[in-house]
Amino acid sequence: GAVVSQHPSRVICKSGTSVKIECRSLDFQATTMFWYRQFPKQSLMLMATSNEGSKATYEQGVEKDKFLINHASLTLSTLTVTSAHPEDSSFYICSARDRRDSYEQYFGPGTRLTVT
Amino acid sequence: AQTVTQSQPEMSVQEAETVTLSCTYDTSENNYYLFWYKQPPSRQMILVIRQEAYKQQNATENRFSVNFQKAAKSFSLKISDSQLGDTAMYFCAFMKPDVNAGGTSYGKLTFGQGTILTVHP
Repeated sequence: GAVVSQHPSRVICKSGTSVKIECRSLDFQATTMFWYRQFPKQSLMLMATSNEGSKATYEQGVEKDKFLINHASLTLSTLTVTSAHPEDSSFYICSARDRRDSYEQYFGPGTRLTVT
Repeated sequence: AQTVTQSQPEMSVQEAETVTLSCTYDTSENNYYLFWYKQPPSRQMILVIRQEAYKQQNATENRFSVNFQKAAKSFSLKISDSQLGDTAMYFCAFMKPDVNAGGTSYGKLTFGQGTILTVHP
């Protein structure tokens, strides 16, 4: 089946620094990738939709200058948390849609970000 | 905007028994997709089952089946012969296809709040 990887799986950074999270589709091409944020025992909250070769579309209330998204190729999207603060600590999940399948999304294993 | 409601924050079931998780949604669309996802302690999201709204027949995947009531906007998940490995958080999700090719709203999933299911030995 389709596989999506995320790197790193866990990251700890100091307040004020930036951290980049990668999302890769390993065996398919993804024209669209999605970034979610999840707090413990809560639902997934969509942050932004990333389309290859174009600007990401952010959900209401998500700061685009703080959460930079780049989708430079059909297999890679990155999320950069800039000037991270402790309140940005969370579990970040990406998903990717196979360009050949209109409705299926494949999820990455997630990245746990801790900002100290 | 679409909303998805899961009214059961937590459920528990004995191994080998059957459990039903509830989900209701609100939409004015006629064509859409509904999903149940499982998130075990590893936190990897796993697709359990998918239902196309235009299909009247309820989807079934081995021990997992749905009761899709389109008029009532209800989409419950039944797990038969529950196993310890079914212990997880379950999310109901809604997807509205975007008729505009390349539209950024295409494929957006709206998730319910989730139900934590515990299977007891």
